[in-house]
Amino acid sequence: GAGVSQSPSNKVTEKGKDVELRCDPISGHTALYWYRQSLGQGLEFLIYFQGNSAPDKSGLPSDRFSAERTGGSVSTLTIQRTQQEDSAVYLCASTNRDRGGIQYFGAGTRLSVL
Amino acid sequence: AQSVSQHNHHVILSEAASLELGCNYSYGGTVNLFWYVQYPGQHLQLLLKYFSGDPLVKGIKGFEAEFIKSKFSFNLRKPSVQWSDTAEYFCAVNLDTGRRALTFGSGTRLQVQP
Repeated sequence: GAGVSQSPSNKVTEKGKDVELRCDPISGHTALYWYRQSLGQGLEFLIYFQGNSAPDKSGLPSDRFSAERTGGSVSTLTIQRTQQEDSAVYLCASTNRDRGGIQYFGAGTRLSVL
Repeated sequence: AQSVSQHNHHVILSEAASLELGCNYSYGGTVNLFWYVQYPGQHLQLLLKYFSGDPLVKGIKGFEAEFIKSKFSFNLRKPSVQWSDTAEYFCAVNLDTGRRALTFGSGTRLQVQP
């Protein structure tokens, strides 16, 4: 597609439920990032995928968060046993790793945990 | 760890006024610098970037930014704002190596009054 696509755009869930958020990066982009945008923390890095290398998970806030990237393209961010503090907008970005790596962002998934 | 500071959280201007948004970062190594903009209801878009070379960079919609290495600053400017510039502006930095994850400032909400 022309841009980074994320689904769903909005997700409302009950505390304790698991959720999956999807990201389709720009075709040909080898690097993919997940960020979280929340009122208290601003925009923060979560996880990074580059090609077939092991992901950099250093930004994940807890072991309830995990992500995978299948076939070097689509990525899924999973949050298990959601908590109210997980409520945020989850953003995905991709880049083709040119100098500096301009990252192109999706519209995000707004997650609300009740 | 690197950090990014944006000094103005909320700026209100009248149309045709000049704009300057401050951005300072903490890391002294080789960095890449970005300004992203988020218009109401839209996704993050790249406004301009600095990788190397001329420290005065020009972006879209008449925006420019100046990299002053000695001050660790990358301030955003526009000589004459328009109502359509109403948006949230984020300064971001990444290291020119490794995962190149972006570290964002807390954002500045710009409101331009007609």
